[in-house]
Amino acid sequence: DAGVTQSPTHLIKTRGQQVTLRCSPKSGHDTVSWYQQALGQGPQFIFQYYEEEERQRGNFPDRFSGHQFPNYSSELNVNALLLGDSALYLCASSLVFSVDTQYFGPGTRLTVL
Amino acid sequence: LAKTTQPISMDSYEGQEVNITCSHNNIATNDYITWYQQFPSQGPRFIIQGYKTKVTNEVASLFIPADRKSSTLSLPRVSLSDTAVYYCLVGDMSSSNTGKLIFGQGTTLQVKP
Repeated sequence: DAGVTQSPTHLIKTRGQQVTLRCSPKSGHDTVSWYQQALGQGPQFIFQYYEEEERQRGNFPDRFSGHQFPNYSSELNVNALLLGDSALYLCASSLVFSVDTQYFGPGTRLTVL
Repeated sequence: LAKTTQPISMDSYEGQEVNITCSHNNIATNDYITWYQQFPSQGPRFIIQGYKTKVTNEVASLFIPADRKSSTLSLPRVSLSDTAVYYCLVGDMSSSNTGKLIFGQGTTLQVKP
């Protein structure tokens, strides 16, 4: 049973660039959520996708956008990168209408120089 | 979502039982209590989830008193590899609320030899 996978593992970008991160949910899950975790902090909710639509959004600017594909995989896009966007980006999957919790992937470490 | 309060850090020795208590005075009727473990630069790993009384799995036990205003994660006979950050989360895990996992600072557990 494959868990949540994310790619790439690490990424280095410069200010102003754009980045795309990818996530494949755990087998049987249909909902994907994205989180940003700065060093020394707990993960912060960015947004959630279900049925290929953004369903909920945290307090993040429009520079952060996403997409969910028919196979439930998802992408997180960040435009006009800032130094403060350097963080561990986590993807979590779950099954809608289930009381079961979210399962996280290993994360993508983004460094903005 | 209910706010949680847990100790910032705890120290223990190998072989000891560790109990981490989380306060959640404003827990709602539909809220579940979920604990995650996180190692540096990795995604949070689900440990245990419960609603009331006691839940036990192969990794830990979760004790929830009748008023549900607190919970205690119990790790039996910890080892050095249990050194990690432990997060207590409270929320409605069903339906459209599954996206809003709110992470606090967590409890950093240091296990010493």
